Amino acid sequence: DAGITQSPRHKVTETGTPVTLRCHQTENHRYMYWYRQDPGHGLRLIHYSYGVKDTDKGEVSDGYSVSRSKTEDFLLTLESATSSQTSVYFCAISEGGRLSDTQYFGPGTRLTVL
Amino acid sequence: KNEVEQSPQNLTAQEGEFITINCSYSVGISALHWLQQHPGGGIVSLFMLSSGKKKHGRLIATINIQEKHSSLHITASHPRDSAVYICAVKAAGNKLTFGGGTRVLVKP
Repeated sequence: DAGITQSPRHKVTETGTPVTLRCHQTENHRYMYWYRQDPGHGLRLIHYSYGVKDTDKGEVSDGYSVSRSKTEDFLLTLESATSSQTSVYFCAISEGGRLSDTQYFGPGTRLTVL
Repeated sequence: KNEVEQSPQNLTAQEGEFITINCSYSVGISALHWLQQHPGGGIVSLFMLSSGKKKHGRLIATINIQEKHSSLHITASHPRDSAVYICAVKAAGNKLTFGGGTRVLVKP
């Protein structure tokens, strides 16, 4: 299994509070991705990174920001959490940048915003 | 209409049966992925296809680029194959578009 961890694995928070999710990899892969998974929508890309300090938006980026100061860590921040951001969040990595490359997924973080 | 449609949404089979899951997409693609999501939530990449057919153990994936269609077959299904199977394509822009998944239950 690819060395990808996510923390925390579960979090319950209140509307309006900031939340940061962490993705950590030990594979030295250049590309990292954040997805959310919701019933009826499947997986949707929030943001991705193609190198240290290099990030770009996905299809559902509103309300989220990311940072990547080291190759191994990719942080997802909800500046002011809303109930619509209740979801399961998955981090993924890939060695190459083409989306035809295999992506390896982390175990997921279940976030509940009350 | 979603760019990636999977059918069926749910499938129940008896152990040993041959299973087929379908994925249709409406855009030009460079590659198609099949993923497996275990009941515990973990996601594993099974195949990446750009043409033809790939086989891994009891799993076979095929793609027809002209018809914008892919199938995932499970031969001699087993209860441990019970999972959600997800199709994803590289659509417009630099992103993957995912289907809604097919929930497979294999009964002993």
